[in-house]
Amino acid sequence: DTEVTQTPKHLVMGMTNKKSLKCEQHMGHRAMYWYKQKAKKPPELMFVYSYEKLSINESVPSRFSPECPNSSLLNLHLHALQPEDSALYLCASSQGASGTKRAGELFFGEGSRLTVL
Amino acid sequence: GEDVEQSLFLSVREGDSSVINCTYTDSSSTYLYWYKQEPGAGLQLLTYIFSNMDMKQDQRLTVLLNKKDKHLSLRIADTQTGDSAIYFCAEAVTGGGNKLTFGTGTQLKVEL
Repeated sequence: DTEVTQTPKHLVMGMTNKKSLKCEQHMGHRAMYWYKQKAKKPPELMFVYSYEKLSINESVPSRFSPECPNSSLLNLHLHALQPEDSALYLCASSQGASGTKRAGELFFGEGSRLTVL
Repeated sequence: GEDVEQSLFLSVREGDSSVINCTYTDSSSTYLYWYKQEPGAGLQLLTYIFSNMDMKQDQRLTVLLNKKDKHLSLRIADTQTGDSAIYFCAEAVTGGGNKLTFGTGTQLKVEL
């Protein structure tokens, strides 16, 4: 199984809603990532979990709250979002540690397309 | 800095070779990668090269690295319509944790 599964594929929410994006992998990878991608732009790193601990937070606003319940699951909790947060949210995982080739071998899910009204 | 630049757009005819270029500024990068993103999908790793290599070939793909000029290229031989996508180069920096810096992306359009 070489897949990263993300749900939901599409999400529309109002600025006062609370919702969550979910990501799952069963490749035994110990690093998991959230990226945000606007149309025709490269992915922007938001968070990295390594061995279920948050290792990188790229100064993301607190209205985005990541959670890693176990080594296979990664959630992104959303609250009080703004219309400019509308984007494709990509989850990824990798096997390797920093400095190894496998650290950059990311397996991406297909993304959750978020629209904030 | 960690700016990674690519040209925005490339159009080729089916059967021709495509060359996608990438320039980066961080000389301490260790591995460099090429990812492909088809419409409505996530990114897919195509190939990578270690910074002490000049060239790597993998079937239709050839990666060239000029470390002195901080220039990376991806050549796709016999380009097919299924190769139409956005291509991102990415660099991993020593001591950067599990962090990749992606290039600006090149949209490849393959015409019949």
